[in-house]
Amino acid sequence: KNEVEQSPQNLTAQEGEFITINCSYSVGISALHWLQQHPGGGIVSLFMLSSGKKKHGRLIATINIQEKHSSLHITASHPRDSAVYICAVPGSARQLTFGSGTQLTVLP
Amino acid sequence: DTAVSQTPKYLVTQMGNDKSIKCEQNLGHDTMYWYKQDSKKFLKIMFSYNNKELIINETVPNRFSPKSPDKAHLNLHINSLELGDSAVYFCASSQDLGGYTNYGYTFGSGTRLTVV
Repeated sequence: KNEVEQSPQNLTAQEGEFITINCSYSVGISALHWLQQHPGGGIVSLFMLSSGKKKHGRLIATINIQEKHSSLHITASHPRDSAVYICAVPGSARQLTFGSGTQLTVLP
Repeated sequence: DTAVSQTPKYLVTQMGNDKSIKCEQNLGHDTMYWYKQDSKKFLKIMFSYNNKELIINETVPNRFSPKSPDKAHLNLHINSLELGDSAVYFCASSQDLGGYTNYGYTFGSGTRLTVV
């Protein structure tokens, strides 16, 4: 079973700061997902990546398959980025196994 | 148009009751899932169905019974509700079993179940 660890659990930043959230997993995978859970509870898929880097607006996700590690970066953070960010990996039957999430709060 | 819709959004019920949560997706995805989010916000797989066939039943009490009448619907029926069943339940769908080939997963907005 894949163990997924995220850090930090909680992160408070000032508006404009560069944010990094880390995710590591124990068993090799072919793709990793980054999800965002809004304060209202809805979950949105941000990225699915299997190698290298992906960018969407101010969000950048990177993955190193050999080191079993992924990072999510937010440039020029804004209060509306405040949410829980969750990484997830597919299991043996490809169901998602989730990290515990990182609660991000961006202060104005 | 809502891609994955769950109903109801909130459900408050007494212990011992039987309740259902409905989920429908209009994305044409082959695979649907039920996930449970506990009070610590940790998400965990319960079931997955691929083209109406049960693929995963992840150590869920048999009081929980998923039903997939067609590949666009995956409903969750819960018998004899217990206090510990209180949680947020998310339905999700993906194209291809692992969500690799398209844009990953699409989640419903969740159903907050409170058992009193």
